[in-house]
Amino acid sequence: GAGVSQSPSNKVTEKGKDVELRCDPISGHTALYWYRQRLGQGLEFLIYFQGNSAPDKSGLPSDRFSAERTGESVSTLTIQRTQQEDSAVYLCASSRDFTEAFFGQGTRLTVV
Amino acid sequence: TQLLEQSPQFLSIQEGENLTVYCNSSSVFSSLQWYRQEPGEGPVLLVTVVTGGEVKKLKRLTFQFGDARKDSSLHITAAQPGDTGLYLCAGEFNRLAFGKGNQVVVIP
Repeated sequence: GAGVSQSPSNKVTEKGKDVELRCDPISGHTALYWYRQRLGQGLEFLIYFQGNSAPDKSGLPSDRFSAERTGESVSTLTIQRTQQEDSAVYLCASSRDFTEAFFGQGTRLTVV
Repeated sequence: TQLLEQSPQFLSIQEGENLTVYCNSSSVFSSLQWYRQEPGEGPVLLVTVVTGGEVKKLKRLTFQFGDARKDSSLHITAAQPGDTGLYLCAGEFNRLAFGKGNQVVVIP
């Protein structure tokens, strides 16, 4: 596809379970970002990948959160032992360096 | 530490009124981007301002980059319900950094 693709679009999970969110960036985009957005709030930066450089993990809220990216392709965000406070929309974006960021539709995570 | 501060966080106005929202930083940016996010969607780029003092217009939206390239404003003339959304500014700071956004609600 031509845009950033995220899956699943919706995920309901039980408290304490692990979840894995996937992001397929636009081909050729070296930069990839993950953000969390709680209901009615702005974007909360989680992690940034740029090519083969070490990722900027400064926004990850706890060690239950981790993310991987293979080269310049797909990325996965994993949340272990989910808590209700993790309920939010998780947005992925990709870009060429610092130019326009293209966002996916997001994954709406609900922890019950 | 928030690299880009946006104000006001929330603004509700009547259709036809004008509004201005702001994006401020203590850092100098080579460029600033403005995005709009509509409910249920990801943010979409509206405009990029590059030169200090630059003014760009997109229909009823006017974007200005401060002379010192540390701040920017977005002015909406005769707001319409379709202008409702979260407006985000973004600038380059080791990575593309986003502000928290200006939530704008235009009431019909």
